[in-house]
Amino acid sequence: QQQVKQSPQSLIVQKGGISIINCAYENTAFDYFPWYQQFPGKGPALLIAIRPDVSEKKEGRFTISFNKSAKQFSLHIMDSQPGDSATYFCAASIRGGSNYKLTFGKGTLLTVNP
Amino acid sequence: NAGVTQTPKFQVLKTGQSMTLQCAQDMNHEYMSWYRQDPGMGLRLIHYSVGAGITDQGEVPNGYNVSRSTTEDFPLRLLSAAPSQTSVYFCASSRTGHSYGYTFGSGTRLTVV
Repeated sequence: QQQVKQSPQSLIVQKGGISIINCAYENTAFDYFPWYQQFPGKGPALLIAIRPDVSEKKEGRFTISFNKSAKQFSLHIMDSQPGDSATYFCAASIRGGSNYKLTFGKGTLLTVNP
Repeated sequence: NAGVTQTPKFQVLKTGQSMTLQCAQDMNHEYMSWYRQDPGMGLRLIHYSVGAGITDQGEVPNGYNVSRSTTEDFPLRLLSAAPSQTSVYFCASSRTGHSYGYTFGSGTRLTVV
């Protein structure tokens, strides 16, 4: 059972364009939704995260949009740059004292052409 | 500040061999976990620990053992390596409370032949 479904698997965008990656979740107990960015040969790194009590969070060119009723959230990368080319993972976890686990989507390989 | 250090970076094993993947963090994080990353599969949780002496299974624990004797170290043991364990392994750590986010190591690429 895949608890976090991510799409598309791969995405090609021109420099300056908008990259959009979508995720959907099943478990309504999830209450923390981070996005991770991974460059080849490196470990994932936290990019931005949101809680379900807000509908949008923006950090620079990166924005998370969250739709609680639809159980969906998405990452928007404005003015995409070649340096943004990487694999992006959405994730979700349940607040539960000190016992929590991140469940990841399968990832989206983003290529930004110059 | 080294963050999360994984060793070795690369390893080739023969089927049936055992080995230990090392993970150490110097941030005094309570939470540590091991993930494996396979093409098209994302990151899957193998084992995790919420503190020294406490471990639990994740999504894909079979064939792996862990222990947490100190806050800093969280080794992953492959008991009898199989080709299906060929993967890239990542260790991650975090403060308790997921709002802090995970810090990942740079990974160990393991090939079992």
